[in-house]
Amino acid sequence: ETGVTQTPRHLVMGMTNKKSLKCEQHLGHNAMYWYKQSAKKPLELMFVYNFKEQTENNSVPSRFSPECPNSSHLFLHLHTLQPEDSALYLCASSQDRNGEAFFGQGTRLTVV
Amino acid sequence: AQSVTQLGSHVSVSEGALVLLRCNYSSSVPPYLFWYVQYPNQGLQLLLKYTSAATLVKGINGFEAEFKKSETSFHLTKPSAHMSDAAEYFCAVSLQGGKLIFGQGTELSVKP
Repeated sequence: ETGVTQTPRHLVMGMTNKKSLKCEQHLGHNAMYWYKQSAKKPLELMFVYNFKEQTENNSVPSRFSPECPNSSHLFLHLHTLQPEDSALYLCASSQDRNGEAFFGQGTRLTVV
Repeated sequence: AQSVTQLGSHVSVSEGALVLLRCNYSSSVPPYLFWYVQYPNQGLQLLLKYTSAATLVKGINGFEAEFKKSETSFHLTKPSAHMSDAAEYFCAVSLQGGKLIFGQGTELSVKP
């Protein structure tokens, strides 16, 4: 089981840059998620994809743009971010029914 | 709406002592409940889950949790703490479609 892999592990970007986070799962799951983990805050669910279709967007600013080309891959495209967007971004996958999510190791994003 | 409350953002125990991390939930339907652990600069790892079978659930690394419907609780315990248990622990409830709602987390410190 190779689990959920996120790249890069660390990313530093300027406010005018464009970058992308990548997530890949080899678990045969149908659902994929992006979470944001900021210091001293609960994990915030950002986006949910089910069978490649976006089923949830939790009022995430448009400077975050997700893409799910297939059930195994999930991207988060970033542009014109703010310093307060600095956080650990976690990808997860699950089979739809039981909610047991498997997480990647995260991308530590710093916006300067 | 479903929610999770973890009592105590920080718990400190001595090595060999009992670990008790508290979690209360609210849910309008029978929930699925989870405990995850996060080591520094890592993603979340599933410790154990409750999915309406046995109310006492055993997980990895000697942890267990008991689902108590009357108290709406799902507290995590371990009889004897080890230094390697120092980490952050998250309780979560699963909504329809596999989406997880997390508590704010409890940081566990283990003193020698």
